[in-house]
Amino acid sequence: AQSVAQPEDQVNVAEGNPLTVKCTYSVSGNPYLFWYVQYPNRGLQFLLKYITGDNLVKGSYGFEAEFNKSQTSFHLKKPSALVSDSALYFCAVTLNTDKLIFGTGTRLQVFP
Amino acid sequence: DAGVIQSPRHEVTEMGQEVTLRCKPISGHNSLFWYRQTMMRGLELLIYFNNNVPIDDSGMPEDRFSAKMPNASFSTLKIQPSEPRDSAVYFCASSIPIPGHYEQYFGPGTRLTVT
Repeated sequence: AQSVAQPEDQVNVAEGNPLTVKCTYSVSGNPYLFWYVQYPNRGLQFLLKYITGDNLVKGSYGFEAEFNKSQTSFHLKKPSALVSDSALYFCAVTLNTDKLIFGTGTRLQVFP
Repeated sequence: DAGVIQSPRHEVTEMGQEVTLRCKPISGHNSLFWYRQTMMRGLELLIYFNNNVPIDDSGMPEDRFSAKMPNASFSTLKIQPSEPRDSAVYFCASSIPIPGHYEQYFGPGTRLTVT
């Protein structure tokens, strides 16, 4: 069965510092991986995806994610956090359909 | 494109009343998903359609919930009768079920409050 785990309920980081939001997955095969962001009172917004090829994927708002097959991870990163990055972040995985399996979400809090 | 459109944005109703939530997917997207989000249970997939046909409704909580997709541009989620525990934000999302294009695009959600 496919699953995705986001081990941290909340991540706190100071503005200007690098941020990492962790995601690990479990699938039997080659996964498609996604990151979404949800701002307060909004729907989930697609940030980036990994399909194949380069393990470092760049997305919206300066975010990037690194696919690591040996560690079955797909951590979201940004070199310099902004207060406006504060939101709820979801990782998702699928094997071969558009039915995505979402993680439980990680709340990112960026302090001025 | 206007994105996924949901209506109403907010709904307040009394227990026992029928509630109908509406969704218009992005034009050309063949898959449509209904989700529910609460603090307690997080994001839950209720049902999804492909080419207007329900593919997986295993997430529908109980018989009080029903969903239809009469055509490619419209879907409804109905709760009858509604209960206070149905209070949540309901999201609709759409996607193109082609390898490499599996990302879903979400609507703004309907915040349902059942008193």
